[in-house]
Amino acid sequence: EDQVTQSPEALRLQEGESSSLNCSYTVSGLRGLFWYRQDPGKGPEFLFTLYSAGEEKEKERLKATLTKKESFLHITAPKPEDSATYLCAASIQGAQKLVFGQGTRLTINP
Amino acid sequence: EAGVVQSPRYKIIEKKQPVAFWCNPISGHNTLYWYLQNLGQGPELLIRYENEEAVDDSQLPKDRFSAERLKGVDSTLKIQPAELGDSAVYLCASSRGPGEQFFGPGTRLTVL
Repeated sequence: EDQVTQSPEALRLQEGESSSLNCSYTVSGLRGLFWYRQDPGKGPEFLFTLYSAGEEKEKERLKATLTKKESFLHITAPKPEDSATYLCAASIQGAQKLVFGQGTRLTINP
Repeated sequence: EAGVVQSPRYKIIEKKQPVAFWCNPISGHNTLYWYLQNLGQGPELLIRYENEEAVDDSQLPKDRFSAERLKGVDSTLKIQPAELGDSAVYLCASSRGPGEQFFGPGTRLTVL
């Protein structure tokens, strides 16, 4: 069964304190690994797509990396506005659907 | 470019009542998805459309849920009758083929 697991479930950091979120996946065939940000009361907002192991993508204070079993979302010197739930999702080959993890709820304290 | 539009944003109904949600995807996106998101969980796919054809509805509870996408543009998701366990956020997303999916703001359904 295709499965995506994120850890930790919740993370509280001080402003400027860098950290990483983990996304482990077990799928029949990975077409791509997606990261989304979701603010309360809103739909997920697309951040990155990674397609192959070793690939990295960056956007402002965020950097996403991918291995054959997991993906990391690194947050460097975060600010309070980075507080949100971060979702990762695996796109399954031949199925064109996203299997989501349960998300990591990130809180950045000023 | 306008994003995915959903309405209503909030809906409160009594159990056993019917309810419908509407979605207008991003212009030019031929693929449309309906997801269900429970509190503290990631979205789960209910149904996927390629133009007007439902190509994956394996997770749609067909005894009470139905969906349509007439003319391959906007879509409606219906629940009849609603149950207490249907309380959740219903998200619509669209994509250009198998590319990145873009989500609407969702409809928060509360069944009393």
